[in-house]
Amino acid sequence: DTAVSQTPKYLVTQMGNDKSIKCEQNLGHDTMYWYKQDSKKFLKIMFSYNNKELIINETVPNRFSPKSPDKAHLNLHINSLELGDSAVYFCASSQATEVNTEAFFGQGTRLTVV
Amino acid sequence: AQKITQTQPGMFVQEKEAVTLDCTYDTSDPSYGLFWYKQPSSGEMIFLIYQGSYDQQNATEGRYSLNFQKARKSANLVISASQLGDSAMYFCAMREGYNTDKLIFGTGTRLQVFP
Repeated sequence: DTAVSQTPKYLVTQMGNDKSIKCEQNLGHDTMYWYKQDSKKFLKIMFSYNNKELIINETVPNRFSPKSPDKAHLNLHINSLELGDSAVYFCASSQATEVNTEAFFGQGTRLTVV
Repeated sequence: AQKITQTQPGMFVQEKEAVTLDCTYDTSDPSYGLFWYKQPSSGEMIFLIYQGSYDQQNATEGRYSLNFQKARKSANLVISASQLGDSAMYFCAMREGYNTDKLIFGTGTRLQVFP
């Protein structure tokens, strides 16, 4: 069973379009995240949710809107896509946010904006 | 200032040899956790090993061990008996006690294992 699953795995779209990436975790974790990995492989946190509540918004443009319908799901909607949004987006989850809590990652969604 | 620094963009190691991947960190919080992740070419992020700031002993997980030097603020990953399947990107990450809501990642080291 996949612990953290994201769909789609690949997404190619034109500038200006709106797209969504879905994420689900079956680990019973309370906290979920979205990370962006750029072309240089740098991973940067975008959002963190705990029990459906937003706890971190790391200066992400408001074209990006996360939505957590329940604590097992954290979807990412992106409006008016730009070329610079091309990246790999990772969803992750963790049991809690203690210092010793590792995060489990989904397989990533490679977004290409043309 | 960078919170996590990985100064080796790329490393080569021969199969069956040991290799050390460097990681230094910057925090004023006495409580923190350090993590290493592996990202193979297939793209997924795989958790490898964890070290807590208060842990007295270096963490080990199979062929992975962490050389934790608190005074130097370094947490180097040691992979023993390298295998071809160890070829991947390796990321060091930290969770700070005063802001545990996120994992902060370094820029990664690409390890290539050759026969």
